[in-house]
Amino acid sequence: AQTVTQSQPEMSVQEAETVTLSCTYDTSESDYYLFWYKQPPSRQMILVIRQEAYKQQNATENRFSVNFQKAAKSFSLKISDSQLGDAAMYFCNLGSSNTGKLIFGQGTTLQVKP
Amino acid sequence: GAVVSQHPSWVICKSGTSVKIECRSLDFQATTMFWYRQFPKQSLMLMATSNEGSKATYEQGVEKDKFLINHASLTLSTLTVTSAHPEDSSFYICSARVGSSETQYFGPGTRLLVL
Repeated sequence: AQTVTQSQPEMSVQEAETVTLSCTYDTSESDYYLFWYKQPPSRQMILVIRQEAYKQQNATENRFSVNFQKAAKSFSLKISDSQLGDAAMYFCNLGSSNTGKLIFGQGTTLQVKP
Repeated sequence: GAVVSQHPSWVICKSGTSVKIECRSLDFQATTMFWYRQFPKQSLMLMATSNEGSKATYEQGVEKDKFLINHASLTLSTLTVTSAHPEDSSFYICSARVGSSETQYFGPGTRLLVL
């Protein structure tokens, strides 16, 4: 079975500071993808960052970067220079190459304090 | 690019009626679309996978006769909640895959309230 675990239901960060959201996963597939999506109060799901499992280099997108530890099955998200607009629920996702389905984590609600 | 729309964004209906929700990929063709359900402050629950030109694949526990899915074209999938009841009230979200990409792009969601 494929699972995604986000052990932090809520996190908070001061504006301009850095925060790391944790995620672990389990899969028996050798070819898979990992994603972080954010869901702000508007409830529109937005892709934040994507990582192919076969790539060793950690993905980065501007202020967002991941720490992908394949052996440990860990995929954390680092947000640098946090902004008020980063406040949202963040979902870690495991994408199956076989089925195309996304396995969702429980989500982490991030609060950004001014 | 990769924009997905949903219509309607909000619907209120009486118990026993059927409600249709549309999911459209606006600037790309989507052979596969997905339908999710989300309860307040919870994660998304995959309901079914919709493939263009074939029958949808439903997740375990999802009633296929209750939630009818049609994917008649490469840009449109519809979810019909038949004989809706108050327990069907929820936030329904669709997503679409771009070609063979593993990335899914999500619609803005539809809030359904059944009275």
